Amino acid sequence: DAGVIQSPRHEVTEMGQEVTLRCKPISGHNSLFWYRQTMMRGLELLIYFNNNVPIDDSGMPEDRFSAKMPNASFSTLKIQPSEPRDSAVYFCASRTYPVQAGANVLTFGAGSRLTVL
Amino acid sequence: TQLLEQSPQFLSIQEGENLTVYCNSSSVFSSLQWYRQEPGEGPVLLVTVVTGGEVKKLKRLTFQFGDARKDSSLHITAAQPGDTGLYLCAGVLRGGADGLTFGKGTHLIIQP
Repeated sequence: DAGVIQSPRHEVTEMGQEVTLRCKPISGHNSLFWYRQTMMRGLELLIYFNNNVPIDDSGMPEDRFSAKMPNASFSTLKIQPSEPRDSAVYFCASRTYPVQAGANVLTFGAGSRLTVL
Repeated sequence: TQLLEQSPQFLSIQEGENLTVYCNSSSVFSSLQWYRQEPGEGPVLLVTVVTGGEVKKLKRLTFQFGDARKDSSLHITAAQPGDTGLYLCAGVLRGGADGLTFGKGTHLIIQP
């Protein structure tokens, strides 16, 4: 398996522009997570889906952020409009669901580094 | 307020030395995990601990889950430059949703 695939790997954009980050989870994984990582705040959970259904989006910073999972093999995280404080590395991760005790294992993608000027 | 507090934040030691890093919380977790992250990559799972007091070994790495399941430690014996990286602990709250919460990590540098 190719693992979790994220695109783009790097994006530089100007304040006010729309940004769309994409994720393809591991085949057979039916739970998908979006995290944001910065030096100041570490890895923050933004939202996660089980069987394409959003379970917890309390980490989404504000209405400028939205995430969708139209099918089991694709998810997007959209920021509109983008702001400089959104600059971070955004990670997608997937796992199997339901989770058995001791088996709540996430496989992460390589991340999308976003810079908003 | 961070749910999982990791210490120290930064640690730089010489090759061959031993070290321990900590992951603490006031909350009880159903399980805790340790991940290692290298620059430009996503975190990779090292181990999962589930039972209070559990100890797991992975070559020179020893992981322990606290008896009350609120804390964990990672001990590295005879550290090597290849151990350099960001070590993250992550947990699932007992009785909570099953999303993983991460600590901010310990940045470890092993100098040759």
